[in-house]
Amino acid sequence: SQTIHQWPATLVQPVGSPLSLECTVEGTSNPNLYWYRQAAGRGLQLLFYSVGIGQISSEVPQNLSASRPQDRQFILSSKKLLLSDSGFYLCAWGPNQPQHFGDGTRLSIL
Amino acid sequence: GQNIDQPTEMTATEGAIVQINCTYQTSGFNGLFWYQQHAGEAPTFLSYNVLDGLEEKGRFSSFLSRSKGYSYLLLKELQMKDSASYLCAVREGNAGNMLTFGGGTRLMVKP
Repeated sequence: SQTIHQWPATLVQPVGSPLSLECTVEGTSNPNLYWYRQAAGRGLQLLFYSVGIGQISSEVPQNLSASRPQDRQFILSSKKLLLSDSGFYLCAWGPNQPQHFGDGTRLSIL
Repeated sequence: GQNIDQPTEMTATEGAIVQINCTYQTSGFNGLFWYQQHAGEAPTFLSYNVLDGLEEKGRFSSFLSRSKGYSYLLLKELQMKDSASYLCAVREGNAGNMLTFGGGTRLMVKP
């Protein structure tokens, strides 16, 4: 069966510090991979999606970036975090539908 | 682009039935999804509709009318554990399988 792992579960970072969140999928090959952000009490906002290694599409311009160095690995990064980057970050995968989500990373910026 | 609307909050009584509506506007509809999300947790898939009609899965059912751009999620025999946010999401046919989510409906089930 397919599983998705996302870490860390929680993260507290100072403004201006770098960020790296990692997501891996097991039990499938060539998945579509997605990064979402959910601000407190709000809906999911798609940040990036990838249909293959090295293929990244950005939905929202911002100081975040994503990379897919391996087929089942998706990384969300930032060189300098802003206060507005606080939120609940979710990785998801899907061959088509539905999308399955990781457990999420709760990021707090101080 | 897409516009997805659903009520922000709803309250219902344990044992009752509740209907959560979702309306959408899209240029190339290719499926509607419902997810359940408990506070602080990731969303979990509930249902998927791509054709008009009702899909039933235990206590949960989902309905779709493509001509009206309308869906609802029906929860029967409500339990306290059903207190959660319910997210409506629409997929466009030309959007690389991406989903656009509504803001979610927070359902509170009271005894």
